[in-house]
Amino acid sequence: AQKITQTQPGMFVQEKEAVTLDCTYDTSDPSYGLFWYKQPSSGEMIFLIYQGSYDQQNATEGRYSLNFQKARKSANLVISASQLGDSAMYFCAMREGGRGSGGSNYKLTFGKGTLLTVNP
Amino acid sequence: KAGVTQTPRYLIKTRGQQVTLSCSPISGHRSVSWYQQTPGQGLQFLFEYFSETQRNKGNFPGRFSGRQFSNSRSEMNVSTLELGDSALYLCATGQGIGELFFGEGSRLTVL
Repeated sequence: AQKITQTQPGMFVQEKEAVTLDCTYDTSDPSYGLFWYKQPSSGEMIFLIYQGSYDQQNATEGRYSLNFQKARKSANLVISASQLGDSAMYFCAMREGGRGSGGSNYKLTFGKGTLLTVNP
Repeated sequence: KAGVTQTPRYLIKTRGQQVTLSCSPISGHRSVSWYQQTPGQGLQFLFEYFSETQRNKGNFPGRFSGRQFSNSRSEMNVSTLELGDSALYLCATGQGIGELFFGEGSRLTVL
């Protein structure tokens, strides 16, 4: 079974509108973290937002917010006021387990991504 | 603060050759992890190093190896290259529990 599922291969949104990118995950570990990354055509993976499984509040970073529904195992990314520069591939990723010896565990499992296109 | 630096950015090799990729982490980051990205398989975890020790390893053949130096810089090596090794290789470094920053990647083409 896939651990991270992104069901939207592609999404379109008008400039200045909000858009939600879906992500569901599967884990039996009570301690995990969820990441969202943006990958423009240049290839660099840009960190957007992080949500820990024990965090009480939904994470927010500027125009990005994470709609974390733990019981439903979903971690949707909401982008408000879309801009043309938001057009890119978006990946949801999960780290299972808490801190490893000597620090955090950085073995991430990625979804297949959603290609977002922002139209003027 | 400088970001994650990967070199080389682009390279072309032929089947059977070997390649070494380098990753310099953000200052103060001691964890370095490597990922392979291909159109067919997506992003897959290769391995992770912390304080010169391999902490995690993905499901890749032994031709893929890595190491980390005392200054936290990391290298990965792929020996006996195959056509299927053509990919974008991404390095990521982190420090806190919720931080993982990637470099721009090394794009390898195997002919």
